[in-house]
Amino acid sequence: DAKTTQPPSMDCAEGRAANLPCNHSTISGNEYVYWYRQIHSQGPQYIIHGLKNNETNEMASLIITEDRKSSTLILPHATLRDTAVYYCIVTNAGGTSYGKLTFGQGTILTVHP
Amino acid sequence: DAGVTQSPTHLIKTRGQQVTLRCSPKSGHDTVSWYQQALGQGPQFIFQYYEEEERQRGNFPDRFSGHQFPNYSSELNVNALLLGDSALYLCASKPPGLAGGYEQFFGPGTRLTVL
Repeated sequence: DAKTTQPPSMDCAEGRAANLPCNHSTISGNEYVYWYRQIHSQGPQYIIHGLKNNETNEMASLIITEDRKSSTLILPHATLRDTAVYYCIVTNAGGTSYGKLTFGQGTILTVHP
Repeated sequence: DAGVTQSPTHLIKTRGQQVTLRCSPKSGHDTVSWYQQALGQGPQFIFQYYEEEERQRGNFPDRFSGHQFPNYSSELNVNALLLGDSALYLCASKPPGLAGGYEQFFGPGTRLTVL
């Protein structure tokens, strides 16, 4: 699986958009970009995933650059409940990885009132 | 749908003992993965079970073993516990099929403390 690089921490004001970057310069053509988050002492929660195109769901948007070497997770209107560790993961969803998720240190997002 | 459930919630053991953790996957899911999360670290992949067989394994010693039952539930066993085994143990399940991207569902975890 490709390695990812994320900033260790970020701050965001409540109600503003939170933009979390991730670098994955060694990503290969069949690897997806996944985002999970983990609120203190809970299990990780899936947010969104994408292959090439930008994706949006009820939680967030995922913007993947054209060369696929980086991506940004956007929480459009951050709330205090979005304070969590956010993990960017690159993996081949099928094939030999069978969906194994390789977590890094993630980004600690703190949303302030 | 109860989602992924794990038991027990918390567990305290002493060094050298053995422990068994349990996981019930989300309804309709057939694959279960186990992760270990030490304090302040991201989860680390232990192994994955599919069709009652260990399909893939991370960099963990043989003291860590598992089992999957016909109803897809799973157990994680750790023998000869060490202090360093103290962690949050997470179970994740995924639906059948390997094509494309998909969401994996995590349980709340079992907090193991080894004294």
